[in-house]
Amino acid sequence: EVQLVESGGTLVQPGESLRLSCAASGFTFPSHAMTWVRQAPGKGLEWLSTITGSGGSTYSADSVKGRFAISRDNSRNTLYLQMYSLTAEDTAVYYCAKDPGAEAGGWFDPWGQGTLVTVSS
Amino acid sequence: DIQMTQSPSSLSASVGDRVTITCRASQDINRWLAWYQQKPGEAPKSLIYAASNLQSGVPSRFSGSGSGTDFTLTISSLQPEDFATYFCQHYITYPVTFGGGTRVEI
Repeated sequence: EVQLVESGGTLVQPGESLRLSCAASGFTFPSHAMTWVRQAPGKGLEWLSTITGSGGSTYSADSVKGRFAISRDNSRNTLYLQMYSLTAEDTAVYYCAKDPGAEAGGWFDPWGQGTLVTVSS
Repeated sequence: DIQMTQSPSSLSASVGDRVTITCRASQDINRWLAWYQQKPGEAPKSLIYAASNLQSGVPSRFSGSGSGTDFTLTISSLQPEDFATYFCQHYITYPVTFGGGTRVEI
């Protein structure tokens, strides 16, 4: 069974940094691109970033480019999202999701359960 | 960026009803469209990809159609477990974008 388990979400102060992790199991991790999507409280879904299976290419939303960095460790079957200079607008549930193939570009299935990041003083 | 517009934003329906949700893209996305279902407090779940392909394990009462800019998600006979919010998403290019969601209520 494919499983994605996010961790690392917590309460942080504005301006701080945070790294989220997504532990993957049940599939050949390097064979799939991986994606981060977030959802602010009561709002819709916002795609943030995708990384290819090899980790050689990444794609990011303009809203987080330069502040968020996606990466992966294929030896640990783990996806990461490093977030810098957090603001209240980054408060959201952060989901990781699996892409259908190694190259980027596709729908997302499945999704992890999400991890909540709250940015507040 | 490609804008995805869903309508309606919410609807009320009864068990057994046929429900149709529309998603319109701001430019031609061929059939590069997915639909997701999200229940309160849960992660989104993939229903349909490539506009009309049913994800494994999804009941056959769900169906998708369309191409180009106009797409629909149909639930042929609404079941109690289908009350949720539904999102469309294009994936023809980056950034991928989602529709604003359609909340299906009792």
